[in-house]
Amino acid sequence: AAGVIQSPRHLIKEKRETATLKCYPIPRHDTVYWYQQGPGQDPQFLISFYEKMQSDKGSIPDRFSAQQFSDYHSELNMSSLELGDSALYFCASSLWGNSNQPQHFGDGTRLSIL
Amino acid sequence: QKEVEQNSGPLSVPEGAIASLNCTYSDRGSQSFFWYRQYSGKSPELIMFIYSNGDKEDGRFTAQLNKASQYVSLLIRDSQPSDSATYLCAVMSAGGTSYGKLTFGQGTILTVHP
Repeated sequence: AAGVIQSPRHLIKEKRETATLKCYPIPRHDTVYWYQQGPGQDPQFLISFYEKMQSDKGSIPDRFSAQQFSDYHSELNMSSLELGDSALYFCASSLWGNSNQPQHFGDGTRLSIL
Repeated sequence: QKEVEQNSGPLSVPEGAIASLNCTYSDRGSQSFFWYRQYSGKSPELIMFIYSNGDKEDGRFTAQLNKASQYVSLLIRDSQPSDSATYLCAVMSAGGTSYGKLTFGQGTILTVHP
């Protein structure tokens, strides 16, 4: 079965650069969630989108922005990168409104800031 | 206090034993609960989800939920070395625009030794 696709898998950037992470949800899923997982930490919710509208916002820095497009894929844009942004970034998708629908995660993007 | 708390690890069990992982949550309105397994550097992999009080069994895994005590657990029977990983308890928000957002516990590292 098709899963959540994330790209790139690995990304190396320097401080103050920008980065764009992409997420392609499972077909027919209308909701996308972004999570950040620092070394030795649990995943932290960043932001979510339902039907191309932002539905919730967590601990996402103002330097980050995201959007969901008409084909339901989502992009996380990160600017003025800092060393502390080095982390695994996961995307998950689901169907809105079904509390029994588990979220399935993509393989993640490992972002390293030098 | 974290919204989702897991029993402190790491947890070490011999091969063939039962591993017991515990989790408590603070939001009494939570409806859906998930256990994910995560290998180092990989994305969380869904193991079980439960939303009704009682037990839910799937192969060697049993999830238990007690909403009155705000407690959810995962039992792994006949533990195998391949079960060695970090286990994440996650609680899904059910309210308003936060719908679907997962809040994770800090994870319990499980080691199954031969």
